[in-house]
Parts: sequence; structure tokens; C-alpha cells
Amino acid sequence: AQSVTQPDIHITVSEGASLELRCNYSYGATPYLFWYVQSPGQGLQLLLKYFSGDTLVQGIKGFEAEFKRSQSSFNLRKPSVHWSDAAEYFCAVGAWAAGNKLTFGGGTRVLVKP
Amino acid sequence: GAVVSQHPSRVICKSGTSVKIECRSLDFQATTMFWYRQFPKQSLMLMATSNEGSKATYEQGVEKDKFLINHASLTLSTLTVTSAHPEDSSFYICSARDMGQQSATQYFGPGTRLLVL
Repeated sequence: AQSVTQPDIHITVSEGASLELRCNYSYGATPYLFWYVQSPGQGLQLLLKYFSGDTLVQGIKGFEAEFKRSQSSFNLRKPSVHWSDAAEYFCAVGAWAAGNKLTFGGGTRVLVKP
Repeated sequence: GAVVSQHPSRVICKSGTSVKIECRSLDFQATTMFWYRQFPKQSLMLMATSNEGSKATYEQGVEKDKFLINHASLTLSTLTVTSAHPEDSSFYICSARDMGQQSATQYFGPGTRLLVL
């Protein structure tokens, strides 16, 4: 069965500082990997995704993520955080063999200090 | 592109009534849509997979007679919460898988907040 762990429930970062959100997954084969962002009371917006190929993936809003197979990780990064980046971030794993269902991590809430 | 809408955005109903939530893919076709439930400060829990033209597939523990799903067209899936009770109050989010793209990408609607009194 697929599982996703986001070890950090909350992260507080100063505006302009760098941000890294951790995501570890467990799956027998190479899964599809996603990062979504959710603002309060809203749906989820896709930031980026990894299916195959280059392990460093660029997304929207200046985010990037790196797939490391040896560590079963897909960490999300942003070099310089803006106040508008305050939100909940979800890492998700999907697989064709699992009917393309997504398994979500528990989420990481990012707070941005001025 | 890849916009998914939900209607209504929020609904308040009395206990015992039924509520229908619509999920539409606005600029793409979706043979598969997914329905999730999200409790406050928690992650998303998959309830069911909605397949166009066939029966929905429910996750373990989800009552299919309580949460009726209909996927009548390639752009519309509906979730009906029947005989709603206060414990059904939650944030319901749908997603749609774009037929024309790499298969696993899901695009999410803005969610529907249901409050049952």
C-alpha cells in the first residue's frame, strides 16, 4: 500500500527566507509524485508533479522539488518565501497500478513572519 | 486550463434532508472524478472514485447508500449526501482526471462546506 509522510506539521519562516518541506513516501514501484497547496477554505492547487525523467522539477510560484529515489523523498523548496505563500501544503503519491488514486500526506502548515 | 468547479460552495441543511453537490470539469473531459472529505486541520480522505457511465467505486468504510455518486457525463459528477446528520458536516472536495494528459494528474475543485444542523 502507498503511504506518504510529511514529518513537519507546522513550519514558520520569515519572509524572504528559504523554505523546504519534507515528503517521504512508501511504494513498491516508482510512483507519480505531486505537491499541492491549499489556502484556508479553498480547494487544492497543483504546484508541480513528477512522473519520470529529470528528478528536479520546476513548478508554479517559484517552487521546485527534487525526487530522490534512494531516500524515497520528494522535498519541496522555494528560495525566497513571500507572505502569500502562507498556506497548507500537501504531498501526494499516485500510481497507475493503484487506479490513479492519490494518497496524501498529513500536510504541512506554513506560516510566514513579516 | 484544467479548471474544476463545485456547486454549491457552502450549504446548510436540516438533519434528515438530502444535499446534492455538483463537480464540473470546465475545460476538459474527465472519465474519472474523485470525491474527498476533509475534516478541519486534517488531510484529504478519498471517499470514492466516480467513473463516467458506470458505478462508482467506494473506499472501505464509506457507505455507498449514504453517499450517492452519479457521473452522467464527461464533465459532471454529483455527490448526494442522503439523510444527512450532523456528523456528515465536513468539507467535501472533488477532483477530476484529465483524459488528455498524463493519466495520474488530478485537478481539484474549490470544495463545498456542508453544515448539517
